[in-house]
Amino acid sequence: SAVISQKPSRDICQRGTSLTIQCQVDSQVTMMFWYRQQPGQSLTLIATANQGSEATYESGFVIDKFPISRPNLTFSTLTVSNMSPEDSSIYLCSVDVYGGSVTEAFFGQGTRLTVV
Amino acid sequence: AQKITQTQPGMFVQEKEAVTLDCTYDTSDPSYGLFWYKQPSSGEMIFLIYQGSYDQQNATEGRYSLNFQKARKSANLVISASQLGDSAMYFCATDGGGGNKLTFGTGTQLKVEL
Repeated sequence: SAVISQKPSRDICQRGTSLTIQCQVDSQVTMMFWYRQQPGQSLTLIATANQGSEATYESGFVIDKFPISRPNLTFSTLTVSNMSPEDSSIYLCSVDVYGGSVTEAFFGQGTRLTVV
Repeated sequence: AQKITQTQPGMFVQEKEAVTLDCTYDTSDPSYGLFWYKQPSSGEMIFLIYQGSYDQQNATEGRYSLNFQKARKSANLVISASQLGDSAMYFCATDGGGGNKLTFGTGTQLKVEL
């Protein structure tokens, strides 16, 4: 299994500002994933973060808006830049852990962001 | 591309009864995994159960079991002996090949009643 610590757990931010969300894993993982969950919606993948390379963004998400860092195999950050009320969501990081024949994808506790 | 369909936006079940949450999937990958997560109102995503496409037997994990019907492309979650603490949003997801990003369904809100 993997323990993922994500912070902050929640924040209220002014529009036009930026927030950086941190994700720390208790073991080394190759890929880390960042998801967004808008109110009442399902999870949507923002990007995949590999250590030592640029993050891979999904359609509809761009690096200027959601820059990602991955300095080592246990840590990643997601920044939500120039925020607007539409960015109010839960942001979650995730990793895959393979244990024998079973795959588990673990999530951090999530960051509940409100932009006012 | 992968797609997950959850057709039940909301479900009610009596405490101690069993409940089935539906999930159908669509993927072109020959090897894939299916996941179920529970999301309480706190927002965290709690991993429940995993089924690999080549697994011969249905996955079970305590009170959770996955009714995997490959020909029908369905992966329903069965919760036995429901408890009040099971009230939450439940998401079905697939990785479309393993070790990859997850595609989620729209979720089912389960409410367990006395």
